[in-house]
Amino acid sequence: QSVLTQSPSVSAAPGQKVTISCSGSGSNIENNYVSWYQQLPGTAPKLLIYDNNVRPSGIPDRFSGSKSGTSATLGITGLQTGDEADYYCGTWDSRLGARVFGGGTKLTVL
Amino acid sequence: QLQLQESGPGLVKPSETLSLTCTVSGGSISSVDHYWGWIRQSPGKGPEWIASVYYTGATSNNPSLRRRVSISVDTSKNQFSLTLSSVTAADTAVYYCARDVFTWLGTFDSWGQGTMVTVSP
Repeated sequence: QSVLTQSPSVSAAPGQKVTISCSGSGSNIENNYVSWYQQLPGTAPKLLIYDNNVRPSGIPDRFSGSKSGTSATLGITGLQTGDEADYYCGTWDSRLGARVFGGGTKLTVL
Repeated sequence: QLQLQESGPGLVKPSETLSLTCTVSGGSISSVDHYWGWIRQSPGKGPEWIASVYYTGATSNNPSLRRRVSISVDTSKNQFSLTLSSVTAADTAVYYCARDVFTWLGTFDSWGQGTMVTVSP
């Protein structure tokens, strides 16, 4: 059981917008930085968002991050078939003393 | 461009010790801004952080694995390594090495391609 909770799956049509949520607690999301990762089939995770809402160089502005209290959200606009992947949130948990990840959300672009 | 490459045996017997090495190229492992970490992922599950090491040798380990894990760094070779003792089938996973951003704990900004490790007799 992951410390951070994500919905198992989400789907939307090409061109639409989708949000992926990540729920935690005061010892992790609420008081620490959240990052988001995209994992395409058969590949390593790739950093999409860090520091809650900052995109690394090369990540399109179709991807955005936000945080409120003990939850964080990844938003993807203008969905493309190439966005089909597993998405994971991550942060530091100060109670556990560990870097932690969510269980992942599988995005299907119909 | 920074690259990380894992190496080590793909098959380990139960109760034995798993040993992996990550070679960093295109950048220095002696960066003051980064830890260097190991993360694993079992099929169909989310990533699990194992441990991270700083270039000075300082370490940070996942409490759930601490008793079995050792992580070290060799700055002369630009490498860092992981050992996991007393392995069981539950340790079967893809093991990734990654750069761990010091300022934003829990942020891994560059990953190796991963290496599959199977624990089986």
